[in-house]
Amino acid sequence: DQQVKQNSPSLSVQEGRISILNCDYTNSMFDYFLWYKKYPAEGPTFLISISSIKDKNEDGRFTVFLNKSAKHLSLHIVPSQPGDSAVYFCAASARGGSNYKLTFGKGTLLTVNP
Amino acid sequence: DTGVSQDPRHKITKRGQNVTFRCDPISEHNRLYWYRQTLGQGPEFLTYFQNEAQLEKSRLLSDRFSAERPKGSFSTLEIQRTEQGDSAMYLCASSLTGTVHNEQFFGPGTRLTVL
Repeated sequence: DQQVKQNSPSLSVQEGRISILNCDYTNSMFDYFLWYKKYPAEGPTFLISISSIKDKNEDGRFTVFLNKSAKHLSLHIVPSQPGDSAVYFCAASARGGSNYKLTFGKGTLLTVNP
Repeated sequence: DTGVSQDPRHKITKRGQNVTFRCDPISEHNRLYWYRQTLGQGPEFLTYFQNEAQLEKSRLLSDRFSAERPKGSFSTLEIQRTEQGDSAMYLCASSLTGTVHNEQFFGPGTRLTVL
């Protein structure tokens, strides 16, 4: 069963506009949520994270929103740049005994067109 | 370069052969993880070390897989009697205990192709 779901395999956005990547989860034990960016032939790179006690975290052009009641989070990139073109993975970490491993979604390929 | 490094970056082997991959984590990180990523999927957790102790193995890790971290620094992942289904990207990550949101830092991966 897919505990972290990214239902959009791909997203195409014009440079300068907003990119919104979505993620849903099913496990109510998840306490931390992270976004990773991955370029081809490289490992995932940590981007931004949020704790379940918050509903928003911002870092420069990147903002993550968490709606805990809906078990939904989103990553906003404003303004989008061509260098943002990559696969974005949503990941979650549970509290307690299993809080060391990350559960990933399948990823969303973002293409930012010049 | 102080990031996570993995060796080799690519490995092509024939079915039935044994392969071993190495991971060097960020030097002060005491936690080390192995993940596997197949085409169209996100990384899937395989196993986790805190210092030299292997604390969990995923059910994805069959008896043909073994991982070690003998001195709490680098780690090796060995696959015995490889099968075509083992073809994947093997990712290593490391982190420090007490990291706020369990941020893990990944290496570039080892791409395994089993013919």
